Amino acid sequence: DAKTTQPTSMDCAEGRAANLPCNHSTISGNEYVYWYRQIHSQGPQYIIHGLKNNETNEMASLIITEDRKSSTLILPHATLRDTAVYYCILYNQGGKLIFGQGTELSVKP
Amino acid sequence: GAVVSQHPSWVICKSGTSVKIECRSLDFQATTMFWYRQFPKQSLMLMATSNEGSKATYEQGVEKDKFLINHASLTLSTLTVTSAHPEDSSFYICSARSARLNTEAFFGQGTRLTVV
Repeated sequence: DAKTTQPTSMDCAEGRAANLPCNHSTISGNEYVYWYRQIHSQGPQYIIHGLKNNETNEMASLIITEDRKSSTLILPHATLRDTAVYYCILYNQGGKLIFGQGTELSVKP
Repeated sequence: GAVVSQHPSWVICKSGTSVKIECRSLDFQATTMFWYRQFPKQSLMLMATSNEGSKATYEQGVEKDKFLINHASLTLSTLTVTSAHPEDSSFYICSARSARLNTEAFFGQGTRLTVV
């Protein structure tokens, strides 16, 4: 079973920041927080991952709380092409990627 | 990121026939590959994990004799749906992980299977 909890859906205005929360209160010390997204009828796309420090790449930023029990994925300037289902996953590198239900993000003009 | 290619992108087959789906890692050696199934409006469900040169490990409830997985090389894994039935119609997605990278898994574009 997935060990993360995400809101079912969110809306965001085009050009604004999209902040997607994820709760993972049972995270263990060797588990990373990974984010993937899936655009309709495509395979999931890797976005970003982190262990305990905040991370940033060309796609997004990942903010992990100090106790590591929750995190937030930030898309700084959402576009219509960012409309997708976003999955927050706990991953023990070398283990299995188990998907939860994810958050369906709708970016609106 | 690394590239994983699935073939075919979609397939329609008659009930009772078998269908083979290929998953290739194009620019890295995939020591581990994962196969998922996704029904409409649902999340991805892990079916099995395969390591190169060894038998696949199936998740609970997945019939290993129906979903045959072969991972004979470091760049190719195949999923064969045997004696397909309409309830097997789904979106099948593979994922590959490199031992060298051993970080994120990379996904194929998926295969839409329709059994009529």
